[in-house]
Amino acid sequence: RKEVEQDPGPFNVPEGATVAFNCTYSNSASQSFFWYRQDCRKEPKLLMSVYSSGNEDGRFTAQLNRASQYISLLIRDSKLSDSATYLCVVNIGRRAGRRALTFGSGTRLQVQP
Amino acid sequence: DAEITQSPRHKITETGRQVTLACHQTWNHNNMFWYRQDLGHGLRLIHYSYGVHDTNKGEVSDGYSVSRSNTEDLPLTLESAASSQTSVYFCASSESGLAGAKEETQYFGPGTRLLVL
Repeated sequence: RKEVEQDPGPFNVPEGATVAFNCTYSNSASQSFFWYRQDCRKEPKLLMSVYSSGNEDGRFTAQLNRASQYISLLIRDSKLSDSATYLCVVNIGRRAGRRALTFGSGTRLQVQP
Repeated sequence: DAEITQSPRHKITETGRQVTLACHQTWNHNNMFWYRQDLGHGLRLIHYSYGVHDTNKGEVSDGYSVSRSNTEDLPLTLESAASSQTSVYFCASSESGLAGAKEETQYFGPGTRLLVL
């Protein structure tokens, strides 16, 4: 079983739609969670961190469910520019300050006009 | 502006040759990482370093080596290139210190596309 699993998609949605991605992680000791965005043939970039209480950044909302070990990303009012691959990222390190992130394979989103 | 660069951006080599990919960051980050990205596998960690003279193996380290002689650079060497090492290679860096989203955020270089024939 992969440590971080995502539905690869693609998710094809019209502009203005709301879309949600889920990601599951296997290590219950995981402490930090992130969503990164990767455009085609480019480097990944941090989209947002995921906090236990859930957090929102404009049209993007991230949620963490520790009991079920999954993370979600909700995108409201999708824009063409949201088309990208979204990577779920988990820190499964054990020592404070010394951590290596584990990346999911990514979920591809295609927003259509 | 601080940044992280990789060179070369594209490389074609033959099996058996030694290849070195460069990574240079100007953020003064202690942590540096090398990943490879292949279809169906996402980003996989090759090697990482938490400071000068510190190196650690990641999940796919066989056939690769790194050395950290200063804060800014973490070159990745393929000792004897194999066709299975054809991939896109990303270098990343992050701050050290206590856990926290800001310190853990990894900043990626633009990537190196390597083709081993």
